[in-house]
Amino acid sequence: EADIYQTPRYLVIGTGKKITLECSQTMGHDKMYWYQQDPGMELHLIHYSYGVNSTEKGDLSSESTVSRIRTEHFPLTLESARPSHTSQYLCASSETGGLAGGAYEQYFGPGTRLTVT
Amino acid sequence: EDQVTQSPEALRLQEGESSSLNCSYTVSGLRGLFWYRQDPGKGPEFLFTLYSAGEEKEKERLKATLTKKESFLHITAPKPEDSATYLCAVQFRTGNQFYFGTGTSLTVIP
Repeated sequence: EADIYQTPRYLVIGTGKKITLECSQTMGHDKMYWYQQDPGMELHLIHYSYGVNSTEKGDLSSESTVSRIRTEHFPLTLESARPSHTSQYLCASSETGGLAGGAYEQYFGPGTRLTVT
Repeated sequence: EDQVTQSPEALRLQEGESSSLNCSYTVSGLRGLFWYRQDPGKGPEFLFTLYSAGEEKEKERLKATLTKKESFLHITAPKPEDSATYLCAVQFRTGNQFYFGTGTSLTVIP
């Protein structure tokens, strides 16, 4: 079983608030990812990191920011929450390297269900 | 343009009724194809990785196969506990991102 954790699991918050979604993993993986998932839709990549002090925006950065100060920790911050940010947020991690030039599977956390009112 | 397409969107099976789920992709140069299982309210759980055409992987009642442009997840004699959404993801040689399909929602009726 993958050791990747997300807190909080559920969050209801008002418009305009600043929030941070926490993600941590104990597997020592260099690569970490944040995805947004809505019902019946594919996972959309928000941000990713290939190691400490390395972060990149995905196709859907959704007015959020991330930081990677420690290998095991990859928090996602929404500076000003809006109702359009209501969604499921999934954090994942994977190893680097391996067969076929780095095609290692991702391991996902349980997700944070965010509702912005 | 959708990179990864899964079909069907939803599938209802009687317990013991075998079937297959499909995942097709449109860009050449596959680095890896991944299958995940996702239960409601939870994160996806890794099942298989396939790297090249002709490869097969098995786990209990599930078998994943890969051709040049698609993958199948075969479910043999499913049980109600196999009910979940099955996601397919691909990673291409041209980049490092993973592209996910919208999933197939499987319901197995006792």
